Amino acid sequence: DTAVSQTPKYLVTQMGNDKSIKCEQNLGHDTMYWYKQDSKKFLKIMFSYNNKELIINETVPNRFSPKSPDKAHLNLHINSLELGDSAVYFCASSQSGLAGPTQYFGPGTRLLVL
Amino acid sequence: GESVGLHLPTLSVQEGDNSIINCAYSNSASDYFIWYKQESGKGPQFIIDIRSNMDKRQGQRVTVLLNKTVKHLSLQIAATQPGDSAVYFCAENKGDDKIIFGKGTRLHILP
Repeated sequence: DTAVSQTPKYLVTQMGNDKSIKCEQNLGHDTMYWYKQDSKKFLKIMFSYNNKELIINETVPNRFSPKSPDKAHLNLHINSLELGDSAVYFCASSQSGLAGPTQYFGPGTRLLVL
Repeated sequence: GESVGLHLPTLSVQEGDNSIINCAYSNSASDYFIWYKQESGKGPQFIIDIRSNMDKRQGQRVTVLLNKTVKHLSLQIAATQPGDSAVYFCAENKGDDKIIFGKGTRLHILP
């Protein structure tokens, strides 16, 4: 009964490759997010989708492309991976219109680019 | 740039004592604040939140205090336990769906 799930949990790949990370939430939320957490634990939002529509797009290289096939899924595709892309990527979801946008996070995907 | 910051990057507390984790924010337009706990190898987990029209909110063993005059937020954990070891983040929201996270404080529990 995992609320927010991500696959894979670990991803090791070579520089220049293309990879995807998948996220699914079963909370019935209408908003989903991708965050990047660096080695110093700093969490920075990358993208946000509300009902499959992109609403937040921070300064992220075009190599990163989110895709939301439905409001329960938000995938992240990364082209031409670079060393600096190594980080932990977290998916999160929330329900808009509530008292506050409390976000529920997935377990993270640990990406290592060699 | 980031508007949420923490005074201490690490905090060591004796088991059984109370812990106080502090956070400063700079955006006076923020009206909703959240504390998250991140255990090793896991995603951040919601602990407690507070709206700007409140000064204090209590949960189970946790209390959040908000001082809007000095733009300061704190998380108090009563009777700290080994399971409280984690990185704690404060976060702020300005009424949209975007939450800005602070840098985090690592809490160490001493036996």
